[in-house]
Amino acid sequence: DIVMTQTPLSLSVTPGQPASISCKSSQSLLNSDGKTYFYWYLQKPGQSPQLLIYEVSRRLSGVPDRFSGSGSGTDFALKISRVEAEDVGVYYCMQGINFPFTFGQGTKLEIK
Amino acid sequence: QVQLQESGPGLVKPSQTLSLTCAVSGGSITNGSYYWSWIRQPAGKGLEWIGRIYASGSTNYNPSLKSRVAMSVDTSKNQFSLKLTSVTAADTAVYYCARAKSGTRDLTLWGRGTLVTVSS
Repeated sequence: DIVMTQTPLSLSVTPGQPASISCKSSQSLLNSDGKTYFYWYLQKPGQSPQLLIYEVSRRLSGVPDRFSGSGSGTDFALKISRVEAEDVGVYYCMQGINFPFTFGQGTKLEIK
Repeated sequence: QVQLQESGPGLVKPSQTLSLTCAVSGGSITNGSYYWSWIRQPAGKGLEWIGRIYASGSTNYNPSLKSRVAMSVDTSKNQFSLKLTSVTAADTAVYYCARAKSGTRDLTLWGRGTLVTVSS
């Protein structure tokens, strides 16, 4: 299975400040079709996970533009330009290039 | 809009079979544009992908569960199902059903999840 490793596992951010989460995969997520099957999900407290970013950097419709994804191959990042209170929760990265799809351990974002 | 709703017993005895269904409302499960997945989350832990099924019945399972998992689609009831045999306490988790567009891995629609506890 592809192992997804997130850092940090938790972060506490002052509203209005930026935040960044890293995710590394144990093998390249670049597929022969040219797509990189890498995703970011946010699980808000008491809710189901919700897709934020797909294929590294594409924001799902309705996701605020303060969220951005970047990376390639095995190294990826999620950046929040200005954290808001509604951004609290656990962020998960996921790979979809190979079965089984696998998730990172999760990064818990709290507001200071 | 399409919604997913998981249902099933909240308590299952060890060694028995866990059976869950995911009802699809607001759209047809036979829409070939999508496939249907199950993901689980033990309390306080991360997400584990269990598998996926197309309306045609084609499946892919997590190898770690493959010998115990079966998914099926009931088009007459517009729902899909998960069966997990020989359960142990390690199978205690919130089980989510989700939908993704065919050809993608974008799990864009999730159910609210249902807690299944394995205990005697």
